[in-house]
Amino acid sequence: GAGVSQSPSNKVTEKGKDVELRCDPISGHTALYWYRQSLGQGLEFLIYFQGNSAPDKSGLPSDRFSAERTGGSVSTLTIQRTQQEDSAVYLCASSFGEGGAYEQYFGPGTRLTVT
Amino acid sequence: AQKVTQAQTEISVVEKEDVTLDCVYETRDTTYYLFWYKQPPSGELVFLIRRNSFDEQNEISGRYSWNFQKSTSSFNFTITASQVVDSAVYFCALSEAGDYKLSFGAGTTVTVRA
Repeated sequence: GAGVSQSPSNKVTEKGKDVELRCDPISGHTALYWYRQSLGQGLEFLIYFQGNSAPDKSGLPSDRFSAERTGGSVSTLTIQRTQQEDSAVYLCASSFGEGGAYEQYFGPGTRLTVT
Repeated sequence: AQKVTQAQTEISVVEKEDVTLDCVYETRDTTYYLFWYKQPPSGELVFLIRRNSFDEQNEISGRYSWNFQKSTSSFNFTITASQVVDSAVYFCALSEAGDYKLSFGAGTTVTVRA
């Protein structure tokens, strides 16, 4: 079946602009996660959704970052007033259930470059 | 504090050699889960294995095997008879009870030369 999909695959934006990154999880997966992968910081957790609610937003680096999920499916990660340090690959993952008992399946990522 | 340590940054081997990737984790929980993921040059993270803290049985899947030792807080991964297609970055990760996120190690880059 279809895996996790993300769009766009690449995004180049100017400093100060807003960007929206989209994630379509695997059908039937109730949990959805956003991570960020950058050279200096490795793989970092950003936010987790169970259904449409986000019990854990602890990884969001600043209030410029927000995310929502609708219909228990598609999620959008929004970065406002982008900064150069936001440049990274943003990865989305989904799992059938919540917690470590369920493996997370990752999408191909969105490579964000802030110029 | 670093919860998952992958001390090896890069490993380079010749095809058919065995390669072992080290992973040491840190947690105070008695219930936790350990994972290995592969990230080939294409970039997508591929799930390889999940173990829970109550199952210390070693596992073998084809050329891959995993050695879980709670006494040393280690979850090592061995690729037997490596192939060029095994070239990738391999990540070890930890998920603690009551937590939903994965805490990843820094990754080990494996290069298999023909």
